[in-house]
Amino acid sequence: AQKITQTQPGMFVQEKEAVTLDCTYDTSDQSYGLFWYKQPSSGEMIFLIYQGSYDEQNATEGRYSLNFQKARKSANLVISASQLGDSAMYFCAMKGDTGRRALTFGSGTRLQVQP
Amino acid sequence: DAGITQSPRHKVTETGTPVTLRCHQTENHRYMYWYRQDPGHGLRLIHYSYGVKDTDKGEVSDGYSVSRSKTEDFLLTLESATSSQTSVYFCAISDWGDTDTQYFGPGTRLTVL
Repeated sequence: AQKITQTQPGMFVQEKEAVTLDCTYDTSDQSYGLFWYKQPSSGEMIFLIYQGSYDEQNATEGRYSLNFQKARKSANLVISASQLGDSAMYFCAMKGDTGRRALTFGSGTRLQVQP
Repeated sequence: DAGITQSPRHKVTETGTPVTLRCHQTENHRYMYWYRQDPGHGLRLIHYSYGVKDTDKGEVSDGYSVSRSKTEDFLLTLESATSSQTSVYFCAISDWGDTDTQYFGPGTRLTVL
């Protein structure tokens, strides 16, 4: 079984500062993928970034980067230079090495960016 | 953005009535999924499909059925809605590839009174 844990229900950050959202995972699969999604107040789920378990470098997508520490089973999302539009719920999710391809989600972190 | 639509976007119904939610995609992706989102639980998989007429259960499948007669459409049916099925329902799609990234529809808010 797979499990995703997000221990920060809510976080505040000042505009233009960097913020790290924590995600730890548990799986017995050798090959897996980790995802981050953003859910603004409008409700849609927006894909942000992906990290494969065999990727040697941390993934980056614009202001988003994923701090992947395989031995610690953590996949933290780092948002640099926060903007007011970054205020949203953020979900960490993982896909295991099965034919199902379904995602297991964490409970999310609500980020509020303050001016 | 992936071409995924869900209908209806909002629905209020009464306990015991049947409800069908529709997910439609224009991306010709092979895999389609239904999730529900409840406070404190993130998203949880209800059912998924790996091809036309090929479906399987997820972790919270009790009380739900699905059908996929065409690549582009994936239907979720609540045979007899209960108040515990009040939730936001998301459809997602993915295709073969290195990442199998899932792209989500806009969601359907269902209230069962």
